[in-house]
Amino acid sequence: DVKVTQSSRYLVKRTGEKVFLECVQDMDHENMFWYRQDPGLGLRLIYFSYDVKMKEKGDIPEGYSVSREKKERFSLILESASTNQTSMYLCASSFILGNNQPQHFGDGTRLSIL
Amino acid sequence: SQKIEQNSEALNIQEGKTATLTCNYTNYSPAYLQWYRQDPGRGPVFLLLIRENEKEKRKERLKVTFDTTLKQSLFHITASQPADSATYLCALGPGDMRFGAGTRLTVKP
Repeated sequence: DVKVTQSSRYLVKRTGEKVFLECVQDMDHENMFWYRQDPGLGLRLIYFSYDVKMKEKGDIPEGYSVSREKKERFSLILESASTNQTSMYLCASSFILGNNQPQHFGDGTRLSIL
Repeated sequence: SQKIEQNSEALNIQEGKTATLTCNYTNYSPAYLQWYRQDPGRGPVFLLLIRENEKEKRKERLKVTFDTTLKQSLFHITASQPADSATYLCALGPGDMRFGAGTRLTVKP
């Protein structure tokens, strides 16, 4: 079974802090994704990556950056956390982009910015 | 702009009935559509995929239809059970998929 592991289930940080969210997958998937999920808005794509050191902006990249130094690991970075970044963050992975492969999700990190 | 709408935020039905969830989209020509289930505190889990040239897909008690003329997909759960209670999300591809906001289904015993 595919396993996508997010480093923390719950995280509380302060405004202005630099925040790192980590995600690891064990299925050698090429693609990895970061979403945020807010009530009534659904999942919104922040960034995705289809290869090591490659990254593409999603719909809401502002205030975020990502890093993919190894195939199995995809990190989301909040450069200077703000209260409007309080949300549930979900990481996902899949095989080849655009090849109708399902995405496999982690269980999310609930991030609160105070 | 591209838009994906799922019929309602919440749907309540009685055990044993058929639940029907709707996914409508605009300004989009998806090659396929996927349905996911999400339980509270968990990530979404893939259920079914249907391609644009397929009218219907079934898996056990689940049935999905895809009408590219109406720009709509229907997701049916027959003989529903309380264990089917969850939020169901539709997603459109290819490429970086776009998700609907989901419909929270509650099946009452």
